[in-house]
Amino acid sequence: AQSVTQLGSHVSVSEGALVLLRCNYSSSVPPYLFWYVQYPNQGLQLLLKYTSAATLVKGINGFEAEFKKSETSFHLTKPSAHMSDAAEYFCAVSAGGFKTIFGAGTRLFVKA
Amino acid sequence: SAVISQKPSRDICQRGTSLTIQCQVDSQVTMMFWYRQQPGQSLTLIATANQGSEATYESGFVIDKFPISRPNLTFSTLTVSNMSPEDSSIYLCSVEDRLAGGDEQYFGPGTRLTVT
Repeated sequence: AQSVTQLGSHVSVSEGALVLLRCNYSSSVPPYLFWYVQYPNQGLQLLLKYTSAATLVKGINGFEAEFKKSETSFHLTKPSAHMSDAAEYFCAVSAGGFKTIFGAGTRLFVKA
Repeated sequence: SAVISQKPSRDICQRGTSLTIQCQVDSQVTMMFWYRQQPGQSLTLIATANQGSEATYESGFVIDKFPISRPNLTFSTLTVSNMSPEDSSIYLCSVEDRLAGGDEQYFGPGTRLTVT
């Protein structure tokens, strides 16, 4: 079985500042890890995914995430926040053919 | 990737009635999923719908309350039956792209349901 924990239900940054959204996972087998973004009144959109290749994964809109097995983490970062990044972000894990588990979500606020 | 549409996009319904939500995919897919997202919360999987077989429901969800149809590889419906205000939620359908090599999912825009 697997689980995922997102630290911080809300994160607020200034425009141009570093974005860091934290995600820790638990899995008894090598996992696939995902970050999804949900803009208001829309469905979820895949930002990036880790599937046991490179540990640093680059996604859309300038986001990237690093898989750290020793820390069981998959934190999402972006060097410089933009107003359009304001959204809900979900970390997710799937492993061993089990269903995908989504974290509780982190709402990102970007201040002008 | 897959493009998914849902109908209706939103609805306001009276308690005791039923609503059927449609999900259409622009390509043939094996597995389709139905999720519920209650206000301010994460996604909860209701059921997995495979073409040609009965849907598989997660703990806490039953077929009588959420009947699902999957008549072909591009279409599915979810019915929310005998609705109560507690059913007010966003309902999302998604498909999985195992050919992409990572179980990633593509989501529809969701159906926002309010039960009064």
